[in-house]
Amino acid sequence: NAGVTQTPKFQVLKTGQSMTLQCAQDMNHNSMYWYRQDPGMGLRLIYYSASEGTTDKGEVPNGYNVSRLNKREFSLRLESAAPSQTSVYFCASSGGTPTPYNEQFFGPGTRLTVL
Amino acid sequence: GIQVEQSPPDLILQEGANSTLRCNFSDSVNNLQWFHQNPWGQLINLFYIPSGTKQNGRLSATTVATERYSLLYISSSQTTDSGVYFCAVDSGGGADGLTFGKGTHLIIQP
Repeated sequence: NAGVTQTPKFQVLKTGQSMTLQCAQDMNHNSMYWYRQDPGMGLRLIYYSASEGTTDKGEVPNGYNVSRLNKREFSLRLESAAPSQTSVYFCASSGGTPTPYNEQFFGPGTRLTVL
Repeated sequence: GIQVEQSPPDLILQEGANSTLRCNFSDSVNNLQWFHQNPWGQLINLFYIPSGTKQNGRLSATTVATERYSLLYISSSQTTDSGVYFCAVDSGGGADGLTFGKGTHLIIQP
């Protein structure tokens, strides 16, 4: 049982390049989330998917798109990366037994640098 | 939206000491979680505690929902307890995202 996995672990992009961050969970959770963490800060919600087939904006959605590919996978895409998107990105999931439906579990993170 | 404030922002202790971390929130919540972010950046679930008291080994947590605060107690600190402790809350009715505080940076010196 791997929990929440994320790829890649590290990535360096040039301004204007695009990339997709991948996230998968094997806990049969219904809901999945993407957060970003900037230095000295807590995490901020980018997008979430309450269930397969639905996505909603969080606090900081600008410059990002998401796809809930199936129940297990939730991807985050940067179409044209900017230096302001340099951050650590975390994926999370919630919504399965025996844990409470809204208790979130986090992946290891992707450290992204945009030059 | 809901506001989350954590205190103190920084704490330096000697190994073996006890500590209390506080989280204040501005509205009623249906989820409150405490996390430990270790020096490698991994977020570790400590407690799911929207109300009441829980204990897990040397750690315990109490949330007083009516007064909108939560406390995390760490007893007999070890160097491996070092890192950042986050409180995060959700005030929505469904599977909404968490709002995080800025964290308490804890350093345990040997």
